[in-house]
Amino acid sequence: GENVEQHPSTLSVQEGDSAVIKCTYSDSASNYFPWYKQELGKRPQLIIDIRSNVGEKKDQRIAVTLNKTAKHFSLHITETQPEDSAVYFCAASTTGKLIFGQGTTLQVKP
Amino acid sequence: EPEVTQTPSHQVTQMGQEVILRCVPISNHLYFYWYRQILGQKVEFLVSFYNNEISEKSEIFDDQFSVERPDGSNFTLKIRSTKLEDSAMYFCASRVGSGNTGELFFGEGSRLTVL
Repeated sequence: GENVEQHPSTLSVQEGDSAVIKCTYSDSASNYFPWYKQELGKRPQLIIDIRSNVGEKKDQRIAVTLNKTAKHFSLHITETQPEDSAVYFCAASTTGKLIFGQGTTLQVKP
Repeated sequence: EPEVTQTPSHQVTQMGQEVILRCVPISNHLYFYWYRQILGQKVEFLVSFYNNEISEKSEIFDDQFSVERPDGSNFTLKIRSTKLEDSAMYFCASRVGSGNTGELFFGEGSRLTVL
C-alpha cells in the first residue's frame, strides 16, 4: 500500500542553524505533498505544500523541494528559531487522502 | 477565519461502550475526513467522505466504525463497541475540493480514552 517514510525522527539544532527533514513516498501517482507542524496537544497545521508539477517552493524561511524521479521531498528551515520547535509531518496524496510520515521532532536550542 | 470544530474535546469511556465524535466542517467544504493519532505516533487516515458517501477507508476503519452526515453541517464518527486500542486523538478534517490536492484543514481533535 501507500507509504511515506520520514527521517530523522528527532533533530536538534542551534538557533540560527538550518534544519532539513526528508521524506520518501511509495506511490508514483502521488501529486500533492504538504508539510504540517504540530505543537504539543494541538492540531496539525499546514506550513507549506508543493504539487508534482513544481520542483521547489519557498515561503520566507521555509522551502520544500520535490524529486519525482527519486520519489522524495524535503523540508528546509533556515535561520531556525526556538518557536520552530515542534513535530513536523510530511504527507503525500494521490486520491485526496493524506498519508503521513512518522514525524520529526525538531528542537531548536536557544 | 472559518475553522473545523470538534466535540467533545475529551471523552472517557468504558470498553465496549459506543462513542460518537462530532465535527462541523468548514461550510463550503465538500470533502470530509477522519484521522486518528495514537499518542506519540503519526497521524493515520481512517475514512474520507464525499457527496454523502464514503469514498475511501483504511484497514483501521472496520465494521466497528461508521460515519454519517446527519444534516447539512455535522459529520460524525461512531465507534460501536470501543476497545482499549481505540484510545487516541481523533481529528476531523475538511477541504474545499475539487481534485485531489488542496489544503486539508484539521479540527482541534477529540481525545478518546477507553478504560
